[in-house]
Amino acid sequence: GESVGLHLPTLSVQEGDNSIINCAYSNSASDYFIWYKQESGKGPQFIIDIRSNMDKRQGQRVTVLLNKTVKHLSLQIAATQPGDSAVYFCAERSAGNNRKLIWGLGTSLAVNP
Amino acid sequence: EPEVTQTPSHQVTQMGQEVILRCVPISNHLYFYWYRQILGQKVEFLVSFYNNEISEKSEIFDDQFSVERPDGSNFTLKIRSTKLEDSAMYFCASSFGTESYEQYFGPGTRLTVT
Repeated sequence: GESVGLHLPTLSVQEGDNSIINCAYSNSASDYFIWYKQESGKGPQFIIDIRSNMDKRQGQRVTVLLNKTVKHLSLQIAATQPGDSAVYFCAERSAGNNRKLIWGLGTSLAVNP
Repeated sequence: EPEVTQTPSHQVTQMGQEVILRCVPISNHLYFYWYRQILGQKVEFLVSFYNNEISEKSEIFDDQFSVERPDGSNFTLKIRSTKLEDSAMYFCASSFGTESYEQYFGPGTRLTVT
């Protein structure tokens, strides 16, 4: 479920394991999705994006899966490293001539050595 | 690698004062944005800017807010009369062109209103 304020959903994994971070989006008209990583005290950093005409996209150690039927997005990180510890946000853009990104609450990923 | 820069990194101001937050977007980008993030909460869209005018703004971006691109490199956010609830991290972002929605973010300015 969604949390507010300081109570971010938290995922704790062992170094070397695979991580899966999930995101539910609300607008079936959204046509573009993006994952950002935010380390403490820094701005969001682009990880990977996907358009609604795709259901999977792979990057370096990361894979994004899109299930439009249930409006679900996931980020898979292979062989998680301590440097992956951060808050991960999904964001969506509604179809149309705008560029506003609507952000999810975020998931805190903690990698245990 | 080109990056978005923001100044100052931390701004402390008294309630009712005006503040100007500054950003230098990536040089060949055409679209510019301001977002804010209240501590521990989600990132919220404020405004987007293209071709020297606002292209979209949120309900947060009321008459107390304004943006400007005074020259070819800077992009500023002004808050005319700050309120306590304006305390947040303010992020500037930019993106390249019409087919690219990927936005690059600066490190943010922490605004503290006392």
